[in-house]
Amino acid sequence: QQQVKQSPQSLIVQKGGISIINCAYENTAFDYFPWYQQFPGKGPALLIAIRPDVSEKKEGRFTISFNKSAKQFSLHIMDSQPGDSATYFCAAAQGGSEKLVFGKGTKLTVNP
Amino acid sequence: NAGVTQTPKFRILKIGQSMTLQCTQDMNHNYMYWYRQDPGMGLKLIYYSVGAGITDKGEVPNGYNVSRSTTEDFPLRLELAAPSQTSVYFCASSYRGGSSYEQYFGPGTRLTVT
Repeated sequence: QQQVKQSPQSLIVQKGGISIINCAYENTAFDYFPWYQQFPGKGPALLIAIRPDVSEKKEGRFTISFNKSAKQFSLHIMDSQPGDSATYFCAAAQGGSEKLVFGKGTKLTVNP
Repeated sequence: NAGVTQTPKFRILKIGQSMTLQCTQDMNHNYMYWYRQDPGMGLKLIYYSVGAGITDKGEVPNGYNVSRSTTEDFPLRLELAAPSQTSVYFCASSYRGGSSYEQYFGPGTRLTVT
């Protein structure tokens, strides 16, 4: 049973455009929702994270939107750049647990 | 700080062979994890440890073993390697405390079993 569903599997965006990746979860006990960025040949690295007490968190060009009632959260990359080309993973964790449940990933390609 | 280091970077095993994937962190993190990453499947937790001497199973532990004798090291043992264990393996660590759950990942070990 997949606890975190991520879409789309791949995404192609033109430079300067907006990239949007969506995730949905089932477990209402999740209370921490990070996004990880992974470049080819590297390990994932934390990009941005949110807790359900806020509906949005912004860090530079990256924004997480969170909809608690719909059990969905999304990553928005504004002014997408070729350097943003990577695989993005959403994840979720339950309060008191360090264990992250990951989505299957989205491969983002930003064309120049 | 070197962060999380993993060795080897690449390895080819024959079916039935055994090997140990090494993982070391120098951030004094108490939590450590092993994941496997298969194409299009995200990361699956194999084993994790909340401190020296304490380990527990994750989502996909079959065919693997771990030990945690020190805070720094968390080796993953593959016994009787099978083709289904062909994957990229990532070690990660985190600090339990405060509001951050950030996990720091190593560069990975690409394992092929033939």
